[in-house]
Amino acid sequence: DQQVKQNSPSLSVQEGRISILNCDYTNSMFDYFLWYKKYPAEGPTFLISISSIKDKNEDGRFTVFLNKSAKHLSLHIVPSQPGDSAVYFCAASTHSGYALNFGKGTSLLVTP
Amino acid sequence: EAGVAQSPRYKIIEKRQSVAFWCNPISGHATLYWYQQILGQGPKLLIQFQNNGVVDDSQLPKDRFSAERLKGVDSTLKIQPAKLEDSAVYLCASSPLGGELFFGEGSRLTVL
Repeated sequence: DQQVKQNSPSLSVQEGRISILNCDYTNSMFDYFLWYKKYPAEGPTFLISISSIKDKNEDGRFTVFLNKSAKHLSLHIVPSQPGDSAVYFCAASTHSGYALNFGKGTSLLVTP
Repeated sequence: EAGVAQSPRYKIIEKRQSVAFWCNPISGHATLYWYQQILGQGPKLLIQFQNNGVVDDSQLPKDRFSAERLKGVDSTLKIQPAKLEDSAVYLCASSPLGGELFFGEGSRLTVL
């Protein structure tokens, strides 16, 4: 039973443009959301997070938006760079520090 | 600061054989997780430890998988006997109380 869904397996964007990665969740008890980035043969690395009391969190080129009523979050990367090419996982938990439920990931390719 | 260490990085075994994976978390991190990532899917939690106690092992196939965290530091995950469907990357992660998860590079298991 997939509680966190990333419906786009892949996304291709030109360098300098905006990348938008989407994520939906079904469990209304989730209140902490994270994005992880994964390069081949490496473990996932933390990118950015947001708690349910906020609807936006920004860190440099990365912004996460949360729409609780729609149970939807998105990650915006602007401007996109070739080094951003990786698999991005959306994850959620019922509390900060609790085990994470992951989506299947979206593979982002940023082309020069 | 040293990251999460895992070994071995790669392991190939035949079905019905046994295998063990080792994880050394970041120093001082109380919580340790084992995740299973099958190709094309997101990481799935197998077991969560808080110090040397089990917090959640509801998704661990206990007929063949076992894990322990002696003295609340290192952890081992064992599979015995292995099945073909156990082929996956086994990710260890650790976190301080209430913090983000830090992942190791993973141990890739191939069962023939």
